[in-house]
Amino acid sequence: EVQLVESGGGLIHPGGSLRLSCAASGFTLSTSYMTWVRQAPGKGLEWLSVIYRDGSTYYAESVQGRFTISRDNFRNTVYLQMNSLGAEDTAVYYCARDRGGESYWGIFEYWGQGTLVTVSS
Amino acid sequence: DIQMTQFPSSLSASVGDRVTIACRASQSISTYLNWYQQKPGKAPKFLISSASTLQSGVPSRFSGSGSGTLFTLTIDTLQPEDFATYYCQQNFRTPQTFGQGTQVEIK
Repeated sequence: EVQLVESGGGLIHPGGSLRLSCAASGFTLSTSYMTWVRQAPGKGLEWLSVIYRDGSTYYAESVQGRFTISRDNFRNTVYLQMNSLGAEDTAVYYCARDRGGESYWGIFEYWGQGTLVTVSS
Repeated sequence: DIQMTQFPSSLSASVGDRVTIACRASQSISTYLNWYQQKPGKAPKFLISSASTLQSGVPSRFSGSGSGTLFTLTIDTLQPEDFATYYCQQNFRTPQTFGQGTQVEIK
């Protein structure tokens, strides 16, 4: 059974950094495409980043240069390093596994339960 | 980025009703359109891919249609567990973008 469990959220001051983790089980991370999606309180969903099977990474403009997605295949965990956080980054952060096998489809088939990041002084 | 617009933003319906939600893309996306259901405090659930392909385990009262720029999600015979927020999402181009959501509430 595919499971994704996010952790690492919490309260952080503006300008601070945080690293989110997404522990995967039930499948092999190295052969999957993994994404991060966030949802601000009471708002819709925003795609943030993807890491390809080959390690290539892509980002939304809103987080380009501040966020970094990475993967530890040994620990079967995906990370999102978030720097220079601002109030606009307050959201629930979800990791999701893409449906694609050989290529990235941009279809988010499995989701974790999310972790809340609150940026406030 | 491709903009996705859903309408209505919210609707009230009764159990047993037929509900239709629309989603418009700012440019043609063929059938690269997916639908998700989200209940309060929960992660989104993947319902439909490629505009009309129901995912395994999703009840057949859900259906999707459309191509190009206009798409619809229909729920026939609304059930109590269907009250939720529904999002469309395009996977025609990165960044994938979502509609703002349509909240289906109990009348």
